[in-house]
Amino acid sequence: EAQVTQNPRYLITVTGKKLTVTCSQNMNHEYMSWYRQDPGLGLRQIYYSMNVEVTDKGDVPEGYKVSRKEKRNFPLILESPSPNQTSLYFCASSFLRGTSTDTQYFGPGTRLTVL
Amino acid sequence: GENVEQHPSTLSVQEGDSAVIKCTYSDSASNYFPWYKQELGKRPQLIIDIRSNVGEKKDQRIAVTLNKTAKHFSLHITETQPEDSAVYFCAAIASSNTGKLIFGQGTTLQVKP
Repeated sequence: EAQVTQNPRYLITVTGKKLTVTCSQNMNHEYMSWYRQDPGLGLRQIYYSMNVEVTDKGDVPEGYKVSRKEKRNFPLILESPSPNQTSLYFCASSFLRGTSTDTQYFGPGTRLTVL
Repeated sequence: GENVEQHPSTLSVQEGDSAVIKCTYSDSASNYFPWYKQELGKRPQLIIDIRSNVGEKKDQRIAVTLNKTAKHFSLHITETQPEDSAVYFCAAIASSNTGKLIFGQGTTLQVKP
């Protein structure tokens, strides 16, 4: 089954404790992206990747890191989480269509709480 | 950069009525406009999309129209059903080669039985 998976689905942690949220897709998509969703602010892009070893900042990259060592995986790393990073996180992936993306498919989401 | 405005923020209709959600975008070079439906606690799921070389697209009870001149696009749901209740997001692809989707703020649709 074609899908985007994320782990963990729920995480409660404390300020400053490094964490990684994994994202994996099995559709051979070139493009992968991380979004955070907050009430009243909609979905905002954190980082994206156009292909292996190619990553760039989105609208709200501060406090986050990513890597793209393999095509299927795009982990999101919070080196020193803070309470303002409490949010619902979505990973998404798509094929590239020229220099832009095609339909983006979303993972199930990771609800992160930083105390 | 691209900016997408979505209205209304909430919409309540009676079952069987139509619902219309409107979005405007700022970047005239944007060429792809998807609509996502997000049920409570679930991921956004694509329900319909339109590209800039098309003015209208329909899929059963759902249709999307695009007016490139006015830079706005709309989602139309006919014969609404309670299971249509969800948050709906419009989006546009930024013109630069980043593939970044810019989302509207979302519309909470409630369909009353």
